[in-house]
Amino acid sequence: DQQVKQNSPSLSVQEGRISILNCDYTNSMFDYFLWYKKYPAEGPTFLISISSIKDKNEDGRFTVFLNKSAKHLSLHIVPSQPGDSAVYFCAASPGAQKLVFGQGTRLTINP
Amino acid sequence: ETGVTQTPRHLVMGMTNKKSLKCEQHLGHNAMYWYKQSAKKPLELMFVYSLEERVENNSVPSRFSPECPNSSHLFLHLHTLQPEDSALYLCASSQGDRGVSEQYFGPGTRLTVT
Repeated sequence: DQQVKQNSPSLSVQEGRISILNCDYTNSMFDYFLWYKKYPAEGPTFLISISSIKDKNEDGRFTVFLNKSAKHLSLHIVPSQPGDSAVYFCAASPGAQKLVFGQGTRLTINP
Repeated sequence: ETGVTQTPRHLVMGMTNKKSLKCEQHLGHNAMYWYKQSAKKPLELMFVYSLEERVENNSVPSRFSPECPNSSHLFLHLHTLQPEDSALYLCASSQGDRGVSEQYFGPGTRLTVT
């Protein structure tokens, strides 16, 4: 049973437009959520996080939205740039230093 | 060296071999993790060490044996592996005494079992 799901394996977006990556979770005990970005041949790098007491967190071009009632998380990137092309992983934590990851979405930014 | 480093980056081993993966973190963190990423599957947490003590073992087969001699180093000893153990093995670290915090990952070891 997969507790964190990213239902879109891939997404293609025009440069300069908005990229929206989605994530759904099933465990209501999750209280902290993170997004990671992964380039080929590198480990995932932390991008942005949000606590369950908030519904939005913004950092530059990246904004994460949390809808607790829908158990849904999204990452908005605007404007999208070619360097944003990577695999994006959503992760959720029930605490105790534990992270549960989604299977990832491959984002391609087209010039 | 900065961040989290892992060696080797690539490893091919037979099912009867014994090998070890090494991870080192230069971030002053006190928690370290091993993850496995198989093709088309999410990252799976294998082990968690906090202050050099194992606090999580996610039902991992005994052919994988972790070792954490100090807060900066983490090993994964491998013996009599199966072909289905071929995967990317990722090490991560975090500052564990701040509750949940971001984990910082190494580049991974790509393991192939023949």
